[in-house]
Amino acid sequence: EVQLVESGGGLVQPGGSLRLSCSASGFTFSSFAMHWVRQAPGKGLEYVSTVTNNGDDTYYADSVKGRFTISRDNSKNTLYLQMSSLRAEDTAVYYCVKEGLLSPHDYWGQGTLVTVSS
Amino acid sequence: DIQMTQSPSTLSASVGDRVTITCRASQSISSWLAWYQQKPGKAPKVLIYKASSLESGVPSRFSGSGSGTKFTLTISSLQADDFATYYCQQYKSYPRTFGQGTKVEIK
Repeated sequence: EVQLVESGGGLVQPGGSLRLSCSASGFTFSSFAMHWVRQAPGKGLEYVSTVTNNGDDTYYADSVKGRFTISRDNSKNTLYLQMSSLRAEDTAVYYCVKEGLLSPHDYWGQGTLVTVSS
Repeated sequence: DIQMTQSPSTLSASVGDRVTITCRASQSISSWLAWYQQKPGKAPKVLIYKASSLESGVPSRFSGSGSGTKFTLTISSLQADDFATYYCQQYKSYPRTFGQGTKVEIK
């Protein structure tokens, strides 16, 4: 059974940093690209970032480019999102998402809430 | 970036109704479109990929169509479990943008 478990969310002050982690199990982690998608309270889904299966290529939404860094450790089956220079508008539930063989996002974690506030 | 626009934003319907949601892309995305269902407090769930392919386990009352820039999600006979918010997403290119969502409410 595929499981994606996010951690690392919490309350952080504007301008601060936070690192999210996603522990994956139930599939061959190193074979699939992984993504982060976020959802601000009461709002829609927003694509954040992607890392290819071997970590060689990364992609970002314009809203986080230069502030967020996606990475992975295939030896630990873990996906990361390093967030810096955080803003109030980064407040959201952050989902870890697996790329599918056919569909783009076939499994989602339960999400971790990041709140940026003073 | 490719912009995705859904309509309507909210839809009121009754159990048994046929429901159609439209998604338009700002440029051609061929058939690289997925549809998701999200219920309050839950993660989204993929329903349709490649514009018209049904994800395993998804009821056959859900169907998708379209290519290029215009796409539709149809629920042939709305069930109580289908009241939720639906999102389209293009995955032709990065960033993989989502539509703003369509909330299907009970009439």
